[in-house]
Amino acid sequence: AQKITQTQPGMFVQEKEAVTLDCTYDTSDQSYGLFWYKQPSSGEMIFLIYQGSYDEQNATEGRYSLNFQKARKSANLVISASQLGDSAMYFCAMRGLTQGGSEKLVFGKGTKLTVNP
Amino acid sequence: GAVVSQHPSWVICKSGTSVKIECRSLDFQATTMFWYRQFPKQSLMLMATSNEGSKATYEQGVEKDKFLINHASLTLSTLTVTSAHPEDSSFYICSARETPLATKNIQYFGAGTRLSVL
Repeated sequence: AQKITQTQPGMFVQEKEAVTLDCTYDTSDQSYGLFWYKQPSSGEMIFLIYQGSYDEQNATEGRYSLNFQKARKSANLVISASQLGDSAMYFCAMRGLTQGGSEKLVFGKGTKLTVNP
Repeated sequence: GAVVSQHPSWVICKSGTSVKIECRSLDFQATTMFWYRQFPKQSLMLMATSNEGSKATYEQGVEKDKFLINHASLTLSTLTVTSAHPEDSSFYICSARETPLATKNIQYFGAGTRLSVL
């Protein structure tokens, strides 16, 4: 079974600085995908970035980059030049299987990021 | 990215009544949609996988008769909370995956529905 661990319940960062949100995973699959989602206080889940296990390069999407270290089974999210609007919950997730054998997302417990002015 | 619309965003109902929540993929077709429940300050818990034209697959511990799911078209799935009770009060959020399956299989989420049962 897949498992996602986010060890930082909360993180604080100064506006315009970079911040790293940690995520480690456990899976026996050879091929897998890792995701990061942002959940503002409004509740919606916003897809940020995806990393495939066979991708040779770390994924980047604007100010978001994923520091993928396969041997260490970590997929940390790096947010550069933090903005006040980045304050939110951040969830790391990976593909797993439902009881019926179809795909599902397995989520970590999340990290609450607060950007200070 | 793809857009998923969820309605209503907030609903208050009396105990014993039923509530229907809609999840629509606006600019893509979704053979598969997912329904999650989220308790305050916790992560998302998958309730069921909704498949167009077939029965939903429920996760262990989720009551099928309590949470009715219908996926009648490639763009619409509905979750009906039947005979709602205060313990059903929660945040419900749906997601949809594009069809045909892309390599990334990204799930796009709706904005969620806050259900309060009095």
